[in-house]
Amino acid sequence: AQKVTQAQTEISVVEKEDVTLDCVYETRDTTYYLFWYKQPPSGELVFLIRRNSFDEQNEISGRYSWNFQKSTSSFNFTITASQVVDSAVYFCALSVSSNDYKLSFGAGTTVTVRA
Amino acid sequence: DAGVTQSPTHLIKTRGQQVTLRCSPKSGHDTVSWYQQALGQGPQFIFQYYEEEERQRGNFPDRFSGHQFPNYSSELNVNALLLGDSALYLCASSIYGAGIYNEQFFGPGTRLTVL
Repeated sequence: AQKVTQAQTEISVVEKEDVTLDCVYETRDTTYYLFWYKQPPSGELVFLIRRNSFDEQNEISGRYSWNFQKSTSSFNFTITASQVVDSAVYFCALSVSSNDYKLSFGAGTTVTVRA
Repeated sequence: DAGVTQSPTHLIKTRGQQVTLRCSPKSGHDTVSWYQQALGQGPQFIFQYYEEEERQRGNFPDRFSGHQFPNYSSELNVNALLLGDSALYLCASSIYGAGIYNEQFFGPGTRLTVL
């Protein structure tokens, strides 16, 4: 079975501060994919980033960066220089090849960026 | 290029009634997955349809059923509604068998309230 844990329920920051969201996953599959989605108040899930289990290289994409560590089963996500528009619920998700890649989501972290 | 669309946007029903939610996938996608997102929680996988057949199912009772049409659009039906069925229902489309390229695009969701 797959499981995703987001220990942080809510994070509140002031604009321009960095925000790091934690994600810990569990799976016995060796082939899997990790995702971060953003859900603004409108409700639609917006895809942010994806990483596969064979690539632990950490990258930066604009103001987003992620830290994937298989040794600790963690896939943390950082928003640099946060903006008010970043206020949303952020979900970490896992999909595995043995489960036809259906997504298993964490409970989400609500990020509030104050001006 | 139209994304995933869902209808209706909001729906209010009473206990015991039946409801049908609709989803049109993103152009070029042939697979539709349905998720239930209760308030304050992450989305939970209900089932997935491909080639008009249910391919996978999550831990949901038989009251939840679905259908996929030849044009790849899909319906989610819930019978004998319970108060606990109140949630945001999300539809996601993807390309079957895309493996590493399997990215699910989500619709805006249908907010179902059961009174």
